[in-house]
Amino acid sequence: SQTIHQWPATLVQPVGSPLSLECTVEGTSNPNLYWYRQAAGRGLQLLFYSVGIGQISSEVPQNLSASRPQDRQFILSSKKLLLSDSGFYLCAWGTAVGYGYTFGSGTRLTVV
Amino acid sequence: RKEVEQDPGPFNVPEGATVAFNCTYSNSASQSFFWYRQDCRKEPKLLMSVYSSGNEDGRFTAQLNRASQYISLLIRDSKLSDSATYLCVVNEGGGADGLTFGKGTHLIIQP
Repeated sequence: SQTIHQWPATLVQPVGSPLSLECTVEGTSNPNLYWYRQAAGRGLQLLFYSVGIGQISSEVPQNLSASRPQDRQFILSSKKLLLSDSGFYLCAWGTAVGYGYTFGSGTRLTVV
Repeated sequence: RKEVEQDPGPFNVPEGATVAFNCTYSNSASQSFFWYRQDCRKEPKLLMSVYSSGNEDGRFTAQLNRASQYISLLIRDSKLSDSATYLCVVNEGGGADGLTFGKGTHLIIQP
């Protein structure tokens, strides 16, 4: 069966510090991978998606970036965090268009 | 602009009652539809897909009205464990660029 792993679960980082969140998927090949953010009391916002190794599409211009160095690995990064980067970051995977996604357990990031 | 609109609630419902909520979407070309459930401080989890002919999964019934562009979720014999936020989700199809999520409807089942 397919599983998705995301870590860390909780992170407190100072403003201006770097960020690296990792997500890996097991049990499937060539998944579509997604990074979402959910700010407190708000809906899910798509940040990046990837349909293959090295292929990244950005939905929202910001100080975040994403990379997909391996088929089942998706990384979210920042060189310098802002207070506004605080939120609940969720990685998800999907296969064919028309099917729902499966989310990782999320990382709750607080920038202080 | 993709839009999926939901009443944020909260809906306060006594245990055992039936509750229904709707969601509207703006793109008439949307191709697939889902309801997700999100518990407090947890990730969203797929509750059920929504099919054109309507579908049922135990106490849950989902309906799609393409003409009016809305989706509904009906919960019968509600349980305390049904308390959660229910997200309406639309995939407009044609690409892998993600689902569009509503902001969710908060449901509270009261004993």
